[in-house]
Amino acid sequence: DQQVKQNSPSLSVQEGRISILNCDYTNSMFDYFLWYKKYPAEGPTFLISISSIKDKNEDGRFTVFLNKSAKHLSLHIVPSQPGDSAVYFCAARQGAGKSTFGDGTTLTVKP
Amino acid sequence: EAQVTQNPRYLITVTGKKLTVTCSQNMNHEYMSWYRQDPGLGLRQIYYSMNVEVTDKGDVPEGYKVSRKEKRNFPLILESPSPNQTSLYFCASRKGSTEQFFGPGTRLTVL
Repeated sequence: DQQVKQNSPSLSVQEGRISILNCDYTNSMFDYFLWYKKYPAEGPTFLISISSIKDKNEDGRFTVFLNKSAKHLSLHIVPSQPGDSAVYFCAARQGAGKSTFGDGTTLTVKP
Repeated sequence: EAQVTQNPRYLITVTGKKLTVTCSQNMNHEYMSWYRQDPGLGLRQIYYSMNVEVTDKGDVPEGYKVSRKEKRNFPLILESPSPNQTSLYFCASRKGSTEQFFGPGTRLTVL
């Protein structure tokens, strides 16, 4: 049973437009959610996180929204830039326990 | 510079020949873990360690061993590698409930 799902394997957007990456989870005990970005031949790097006590967290062009009732979170990138082209992983955790990752979404931002 | 290092970065080996992938972090993090990334399967946790001499199985521990004798090091041991362990491996560390820092990855091929 996959507890964290990213249903879109890929997403293509035009430079300057909004990118929206989605993530669904099934375990209601998860209370901390993170997004990581991965370029080819590199390890994932942390992008942004949100605690279950919040419904929104912003960091520059990146905003994460959490809808606990729907067990859904999304990452918005505005405006999208070609350098944002990467694989994005959603991860969820309960407290200080282990993280469970989604399968990733490959974002391509076209100039 | 704060970092997680892994060695080797690339390894081709044959079935049954014991190997160790080293992982070291210089951030004094308590928590370390190993993941494997396979096409379409995201990041799956192999083993994790909450602190020195404390390790536990992740989601896919079969065929792997780990040890945590020092806080900074967390080697991954394959006693008898098999072709289904051909994968991209990542080591990661974190302090408490913060985000994880990932190493650059080790691409392993078992013939």
